[in-house]
Amino acid sequence: DAGITQSPRHKVTETGTPVTLRCHQTENHRYMYWYRQDPGHGLRLIHYSYGVKDTDKGEVSDGYSVSRSKTEDFLLTLESATSSQTSVYFCAISEGRQGGVETQYFGPGTRLLVL
Amino acid sequence: AQKVTQAQTEISVVEKEDVTLDCVYETRDTTYYLFWYKQPPSGELVFLIRRNSFDEQNEISGRYSWNFQKSTSSFNFTITASQVVDSAVYFCALSEAYLGGTSYDKVIFGPGTSLSVIP
Repeated sequence: DAGITQSPRHKVTETGTPVTLRCHQTENHRYMYWYRQDPGHGLRLIHYSYGVKDTDKGEVSDGYSVSRSKTEDFLLTLESATSSQTSVYFCAISEGRQGGVETQYFGPGTRLLVL
Repeated sequence: AQKVTQAQTEISVVEKEDVTLDCVYETRDTTYYLFWYKQPPSGELVFLIRRNSFDEQNEISGRYSWNFQKSTSSFNFTITASQVVDSAVYFCALSEAYLGGTSYDKVIFGPGTSLSVIP
């Protein structure tokens, strides 16, 4: 199994509060991703990172920011949580070699409830 | 545009039956990759298989087999002699070739098929 951990695994918070989710990998993979999974929408990419301090937006990035100060850690921040951000959040990693689509391996997920 | 369709929303089978999960994809690229992931009730996403568009050989791994047919744009997944532990949501996914540079391998996931194996 790919060495990916997410913390916290569960979180309940109130609307308007900031929330930070952490993804940690031990594989030294270049690419890291944050997805959210919602009924009826499947998995949607929020942000991704292609290296330390290198990040870019995915398809549903509004209301989220990310940071990657070390290869192994990728943080997702909800600056001011809203009820629409209640979801299951998955981190994923891939090696980032040149050429050829790579497999993304997923972390265990974080269940976030915004009241 | 890329699209992945899994027409079967939910399937129930009795243990030891064989079951096939359908996946139909759309892409304009000639080079692409297909994936299957399993999401058991515990919630994690487990990678099962990756195939590229140039390799149409069917693959078998234990009780699992995959049938890739470019002519029908399908990548179906069969579980033989199903077991209760196979109960999960299964996702088919499609990704086009790596664009290089800082771009990422955009993966389009299907909506998933929920499989229940009844003892």
